[in-house]
Amino acid sequence: AQKITQTQPGMFVQEKEAVTLDCTYDTSDPSYGLFWYKQPSSGEMIFLIYQGSYDQQNATEGRYSLNFQKARKSANLVISASQLGDSAMYFCHNFNKFYFGSGTKLNVKP
Amino acid sequence: SAVISQKPSRDICQRGTSLTIQCQVDSQVTMMFWYRQQPGQSLTLIATANQGSEATYESGFVIDKFPISRPNLTFSTLTVSNMSPEDSSIYLCSARLDEKLFFGSGTQLSVL
Repeated sequence: AQKITQTQPGMFVQEKEAVTLDCTYDTSDPSYGLFWYKQPSSGEMIFLIYQGSYDQQNATEGRYSLNFQKARKSANLVISASQLGDSAMYFCHNFNKFYFGSGTKLNVKP
Repeated sequence: SAVISQKPSRDICQRGTSLTIQCQVDSQVTMMFWYRQQPGQSLTLIATANQGSEATYESGFVIDKFPISRPNLTFSTLTVSNMSPEDSSIYLCSARLDEKLFFGSGTQLSVL
């Protein structure tokens, strides 16, 4: 079965520090894409970053970057210089199958 | 990007009744999706709704319980039929555009 695994149900990070949220995936598709979404307490789903399986470089979007290790089937989200507004649920998502991981709740401490 | 208007934003319903949730997209999209999310949990895909074809339901979800309409490229509805308290949840619609998923703001449903 193709699935997304997020092994960290909750994470704490000090404001202004960097944090890595883990995501591993299981797919037999030769071409795929992985997304990260943020869901603050308001409930909206916000697109953060995308990594395609054939992309040569790790994706970056402002303070967000992906540590993509294709051989290990991992696509970890790195948030640099954490801000209080980063406190939210973060979901990893499989482009091909529209499934989401179980999520990681990030709390940024002042 | 795409903006999705979803309504109602919340409703409280009696057991045995039905509720129809509407989603309007400001762009034409081929693929729309309906998700359910329990508080503090991940999103569970209910069905994929492509314009011009029958919706495809995920395991555990059936058309009689969650009928979906997709009359054109910008609109879809999900009906939660014969509701029970177990249907209390947040329902989200989404649309795929430019390889990204965009989401409505969700419908918080409570069944008494």
